[in-house]
Order: sequence, then C-alpha cells, then structure tokens
Amino acid sequence: DQQVKQNSPSLSVQEGRISILNCDYTNSMFDYFLWYKKYPAEGPTFLISISSIKDKNEDGRFTVFLNKSAKHLSLHIVPSQPGDSAVYFCAPDGGTSYGKLTFGQGTILTVHP
Amino acid sequence: DADVTQTPRNRITKTGKRIMLECSQTKGHDRMYWYRQDPGLGLRLIYYSFDVKDINKGEISDGYSVSRQAQAKFSLSLESAIPNQTALYFCATSESTGAGELFFGEGSRLTVL
Repeated sequence: DQQVKQNSPSLSVQEGRISILNCDYTNSMFDYFLWYKKYPAEGPTFLISISSIKDKNEDGRFTVFLNKSAKHLSLHIVPSQPGDSAVYFCAPDGGTSYGKLTFGQGTILTVHP
Repeated sequence: DADVTQTPRNRITKTGKRIMLECSQTKGHDRMYWYRQDPGLGLRLIYYSFDVKDINKGEISDGYSVSRQAQAKFSLSLESAIPNQTALYFCATSESTGAGELFFGEGSRLTVL
C-alpha cells in the first residue's frame, strides 16, 4: 500500500524550460511535505518544503504547490538548468508517522543543454 | 568532513554472512534513521531511533537489527545476509522537534552474492 506515489519515473526537459515533477499521496494526516534531490553517489539533500496551511512555497527557481483536496503536490523548476539533473523525491510527514518521512519512488530529471 | 558518515561505503559479501553498517554523526541530533534505496521503490525506512534509549521498526525491518551505541552512533546489522538485501543503504539524522529535514550520509552500497 503505497502512501506516496510519483508516477513519472523520468522526465526530460530542455535547458531554460520548466520542469514539473508530481507527487500524489493518500494519507490525509500528512501535514508537511518535503522535496529531496539526489545526485549519483551522494545522499539525498533537502530542497524545499511546504506546510499544509499553505498552497505555495517559493525558493528561487523552485516552487512547490500543494493541493490538499486532491492530495497532490508538484515541484516546479524554472528555468531548468543542466545541474538540476538528479533524482527528486517527495517525502510527506505527519500524522501517526510524524518524524519519519515516507518517500515516493523518485523521478529522474534530465535537463539537456 | 561530512556531518553524517557511513562506513563502509561499498561492501561485497556472500549469502549467510553477518554484516554491520555503521553511521556516526556530528550534527548533535537525537534522531537517527536507516533507509534502504532500491530502483523504482524510493527510500524505505528500516529502523529509526528518536533518542539513545529508543529503537523502532520501520516499514521493512525483517532481516535487520540496529544498535544505538550513543547519540552520535547508529549501526545496522544484517545477521545473515541474503541476495535481496543488495541495495544502497542510507543513514540519516534529524532534529528532535517537529517535522523536519533529514540529513543523509553518502550511502553504503551492499552487494550480497
């Protein structure tokens, strides 16, 4: 029973264009949502987060949108850069699993020059 | 130096052997975690510890055990390794308050033949 799904295993975009990564969840108790980025041979690193009391959080080129009614969040990267090529994981937190994140399967983003 | 250090970084072993993966941290965090990454499955939680005297099973604890030797040290053991435990293992830490960011080590790649 996967509580968190990233249905696109991979995404390929051109440099300068927008990248949109999606994440769906089933647990309505999740109230904090994080995105992590992972390069090969490195551990994941925190990218951006959003609380359930907000529907948007922006940090430079990265914006996360949350639609609680649809149990859906998305990460927008604009403009995309080749250095953004990595695996992106969404990781909700909250409810009975508070403090231990549940990770999606990840989306491999490739940004072509 | 890395804040979260995992040893060994790479290990090849044979079925039935006992393996220990070690994690140490200098971040001063109370919470420590062991995750496993498999292609297409994201990161799955094996065990977590919210303080030195606290040990909890995660999503996939069967076949694994852990020891929290000190605030800074959290080790993962495979008592009798099997081939489907071949994976990339990550240790992570977080602060003890609220839903928060995890800080990951660089990973330990384990191959069980």
